[in-house]
Amino acid sequence: AQKITQTQPGMFVQEKEAVTLDCTYDTSDQSYGLFWYKQPSSGEMIFLIYQGSYDEQNATEGRYSLNFQKARKSANLVISASQLGDSAMYFCAMREGTSGTYKYIFGTGTRLKVLA
Amino acid sequence: GAGVSQTPSNKVTEKGKYVELRCDPISGHTALYWYRQSLGQGPEFLIYFQGTGAADDSGLPNDRFFAVRPEGSVSTLKIQRTERGDSAVYLCASSLMVSGLNTEAFFGQGTRLTVV
Repeated sequence: AQKITQTQPGMFVQEKEAVTLDCTYDTSDQSYGLFWYKQPSSGEMIFLIYQGSYDEQNATEGRYSLNFQKARKSANLVISASQLGDSAMYFCAMREGTSGTYKYIFGTGTRLKVLA
Repeated sequence: GAGVSQTPSNKVTEKGKYVELRCDPISGHTALYWYRQSLGQGPEFLIYFQGTGAADDSGLPNDRFFAVRPEGSVSTLKIQRTERGDSAVYLCASSLMVSGLNTEAFFGQGTRLTVV
């Protein structure tokens, strides 16, 4: 069964510093996609970045990059040059392909606080 | 509309009552998802639709929960005989297509349900 594990309930980072949010996953499928979403206190879920299981390069989107280690089944989010507006909950999610179910499975999240 | 719209934004109901939560997805999105998010937790999958049909309803907790999408656009999540444990934020999301692992889901602002 697919599962997402985020072991850091909360993280602090100093403004302008980089921070890594951990995510490990469990799946028996060879084809899957990994997503990171941001949820500010207002509640909306904002898509940040995507990594496909067959992608050879780590995904990058502006200040966000994904450290994808397939053999370890990890997909850590790296936020560079943290800003105060980055303070939010961050969720890792996975979507499988070959099993025929396309639902997104989410982890429990990491609350990031950026300090001025 | 420009984004996924959920109504009402807040709903307070008495234990035992029936409630309906509405989701209006992004125009043209064939896939629609319902999630439930309890405080401090990640979104928990309930059901997803491909067009008018429920492609996967494995996350519905029991037969008090039911969802429809009769015309392949707007969806309604229906909860009968509400219980205090049903209190949560109910999130709706839509995506352009069900298959295609790199398709991100776009989320609404959620409906906060409180059962008293």
